[in-house]
Amino acid sequence: GQSLEQPSEVTAVEGAIVQINCTYQTSGFYGLSWYQQHDGGAPTFLSYNALDGLEETGRFSSFLSRSDSYGYLLLQELQMKDSASYFCAVSPYNQGGKLIFGQGTELSVKP
Amino acid sequence: DGGITQSPKYLFRKEGQNVTLSCEQNLNHDAMYWYRQDPGQGLRLIYYSQIVNDFQKGDIAEGYSVSREKKESFPLTVTSAQKNPTAFYLCASSSQLISEKLFFGSGTQLSVL
Repeated sequence: GQSLEQPSEVTAVEGAIVQINCTYQTSGFYGLSWYQQHDGGAPTFLSYNALDGLEETGRFSSFLSRSDSYGYLLLQELQMKDSASYFCAVSPYNQGGKLIFGQGTELSVKP
Repeated sequence: DGGITQSPKYLFRKEGQNVTLSCEQNLNHDAMYWYRQDPGQGLRLIYYSQIVNDFQKGDIAEGYSVSREKKESFPLTVTSAQKNPTAFYLCASSSQLISEKLFFGSGTQLSVL
C-alpha cells in the first residue's frame, strides 16, 4: 500500500524559515503535491513536483527526491497567516492517479 | 467567479436518517471527488467520478452513496449504514483524474444528534 509520513506539529517564529518533511512508501507515482488548510477551511493547492529537484513559488518552495522517497515544503519569511495545516499528497500509478494525502503538519507561527 | 460550492455548511443527522451533501462546480471539470476529514487527520477518499454517470469507490465508501447525473453536480448521501458519520466532508474537482491540482469546496461539517 501507500503511506506518507509527516511531522504532526511544527512551531516557528515570524520571519524564520521552516521545512516540513514528507516521506512516503509507494511503488511509483506521478508527483508530489502540497496543500495548505487553515482551520475549518478548504485545502488550497500550493505546489507540485513531478520531477526531482526544487520548485519555487514565491516564499514557498517544494523539493522531491524519488531515490530517497522524500520531499519537503520550505516556507521562508514566515508570517502569522502561514499558521495552518500542510498536507503532502501523491498520485500513485496503481491508484489511477488519485491523490493520497498524508496526515498533515500543523504549523504554528509565533510572534 | 468559477469555483466549487458545497452546502450546507453545517448539517445534523438523526439516528437512522439519510442525509445528502450538495456539491456543485462551474469550473467545467471532468473529475470530482468526496473526501472525509476527521479532527487532526488527513483526507480520506470516499468516492470519485471521472465522467457523468460513472463513479468509483474510494478507500472508505461503505455507508455512503453518490450520483453524477450532471457534470456540474456530485452529491454525497450519508446513509444510516454509516455508523460514525461525524466528520468534515470536502468536495473537490480537477480538470482530469490524473491531476495534482484539486480545487476544494469550503466543506460541510456533519454531526450526529
